[in-house]
Amino acid sequence: NAGVMQNPRHLVRRRGQEARLRCSPMKGHSHVYWYRQLPEEGLKFMVYLQKENIIDESGMPKERFSAEFPKEGPSILRIQQVVRGDSAAYFCASSLAGPGTEAFFGQGTRLTVV
Amino acid sequence: DQQVKQNSPSLSVQEGRISILNCDYTNSMFDYFLWYKKYPAEGPTFLISISSIKDKNEDGRFTVFLNKSAKHLSLHIVPSQPGDSAVYFCAAALYLQGGSEKLVFGKGTKLTVNP
Repeated sequence: NAGVMQNPRHLVRRRGQEARLRCSPMKGHSHVYWYRQLPEEGLKFMVYLQKENIIDESGMPKERFSAEFPKEGPSILRIQQVVRGDSAAYFCASSLAGPGTEAFFGQGTRLTVV
Repeated sequence: DQQVKQNSPSLSVQEGRISILNCDYTNSMFDYFLWYKKYPAEGPTFLISISSIKDKNEDGRFTVFLNKSAKHLSLHIVPSQPGDSAVYFCAAALYLQGGSEKLVFGKGTKLTVNP
């Protein structure tokens, strides 16, 4: 869905570097979700954020991964000291909120760690 | 722990026939269920959903059936078209604090519709 913008579309990092993935939600949406898709796997929930708040980070790895959704600007998923196993497609989705509200996905960022 | 399971990684059907994609779940607390369609190098796009209090929802060529006692849902596409070829993800939604939801996805089924 063109409304949720993710950049970059492709990101290549060497082991040990940092990766920053950006997500601008659809206009008017204040709820952002990050999902990760490993090769041959479904999408796995990582974190749910509202403006300036992390609501649920139960799917985030305990180390090296962090997410934020500041008052101004896009949501950022940050991976420090990347390893080969972090190579995946990372999808962001946004919703208007309220029970049953549909979440719209961005096109994803494909991270490759070399 | 795979709470949403799509046991068929792939499915191939002839154009004009019915495509049936299946999904099983384990958590009886899920509030509603969705099907997403995904083309390569694109994000998932919403297809159809069904509330946990219903057993059928229909939208054009797409119908989703829910059997709560069996914890099973299926997506029927009739008639199937070559443009339907994609990966289909089943997802289940849990309502969260703050008024939104978390989606739990299956691994997907790759549908190929042959002309």
